[in-house]
Amino acid sequence: GNSVTQMEGPVTLSEEAFLTINCTYTATGYPSLFWYVQYPGEGLQLLLKATKADDKGSNKGFEATYRKETTSFHLEKGSVQVSDSAVYFCALSDPGETSGSRLTFGEGTQLTVNP
Amino acid sequence: DTAVSQTPKYLVTQMGNDKSIKCEQNLGHDTMYWYKQDSKKFLKIMFSYNNKELIINETVPNRFSPKSPDKAHLNLHINSLELGDSAVYFCASSLYGEQYFGPGTRLTVT
Repeated sequence: GNSVTQMEGPVTLSEEAFLTINCTYTATGYPSLFWYVQYPGEGLQLLLKATKADDKGSNKGFEATYRKETTSFHLEKGSVQVSDSAVYFCALSDPGETSGSRLTFGEGTQLTVNP
Repeated sequence: DTAVSQTPKYLVTQMGNDKSIKCEQNLGHDTMYWYKQDSKKFLKIMFSYNNKELIINETVPNRFSPKSPDKAHLNLHINSLELGDSAVYFCASSLYGEQYFGPGTRLTVT
């Protein structure tokens, strides 16, 4: 079955530090890949996505590149801010479904950025 | 102009009770979902409906029964609540694979 593995958290950084959150996946076929962010007390928001190999998704200074050869979709940001403190989820959509595609989530990584 | 809304936001109830959570989306999406997030933040899909038809039904106790009166609404009814049902329940909708989530309903069973 499909699975997503994220680096274990929590991750604590100082403001302006470089961020990497690792994500690897297992899937048959060619899934779409996503990063979602969950701020405290809120629902999940789509941060970025990539739908095919070598695509780079980017938003709000965050980037992730779909690497089929390493089955990875690592999230990076060059300079984090306190407001980036949240839980980050890597996810893939089942490539075998066209409607009602389920998302398979990683375990989530808690990021805390200190001033 | 809320996209996906859920009610209630918080629900505290006793074991054995029956409760419902409602979800509405105004995005015109065809597909809606229920996810459960446990205390460790792990998210797992429970159900999915496409145009009022059930298409995903994961291994969920049959005390949980989803209902979709129309494609903009997906409700979740839970019978005989148990302590282990305490979690945050998220509704989501999608059109072409990209999913939009509601704010969640935090259910606490005492």
